[in-house]
Amino acid sequence: EIVLTQSPTTMAASPGEKVTLTCRASSSVSYMHWYQQRSGASPKLWIYGTSKLASGVPNRFSGSGSGTSYSLTINSMETEDAATYYCQQGSSYPLTFGSGTKLEIK
Amino acid sequence: QIQLVQSGPELKKPGESVKISCKASGYTFTDYAMHWVKQAPGKGLKWMGWINSYTGKPTDADDFKGRFVFSLEASASSANLQISNLKNEDTATYFCARGVVALGYWGQGTLVTVSS
Repeated sequence: EIVLTQSPTTMAASPGEKVTLTCRASSSVSYMHWYQQRSGASPKLWIYGTSKLASGVPNRFSGSGSGTSYSLTINSMETEDAATYYCQQGSSYPLTFGSGTKLEIK
Repeated sequence: QIQLVQSGPELKKPGESVKISCKASGYTFTDYAMHWVKQAPGKGLKWMGWINSYTGKPTDADDFKGRFVFSLEASASSANLQISNLKNEDTATYFCARGVVALGYWGQGTLVTVSS
């Protein structure tokens, strides 16, 4: 099973600040997906195939990475971006999720 | 538009069983797999397994073998999750999600509470 480790666990960012969340895999994966989950809501696919934005995702978001190291970047933090973000690999079964990064607004 | 609508919250006692449904609309049901994801209160997401919506073949993750059964009612465009012999640690929100390896559409979640 591929273990995904996300960092940081929690963080707070000010509006306008650049934010980078990381996800490290215990073995190499071909691509990474990211989900946004707001409190009390279902997760939403946010970034797929490492760097493709899902429909409706603002272009201040971007994804990058390869092998065992991936990241999600917010170019300029906005209030509505406060949520928990999970990475997920689909390169091998079982599908696995990271433990999440809770992103708060300062 | 594509929607996955799950059945409502359940309150069960230990040892009982529960069946959660996930009704799909807005696409051809048999074209996409249905996955199931568990989220315990205050915790992260855990993939439980998936069912091939065309063949009906289920695949369970190791932690969910035995008491967990994925099934289909293809004529109703529905996928089901049945959990038997419920334990306190099964208390969670269960999500169905459509996808191949990226889960593009999610149900609203079904909260199952197990308490004596």
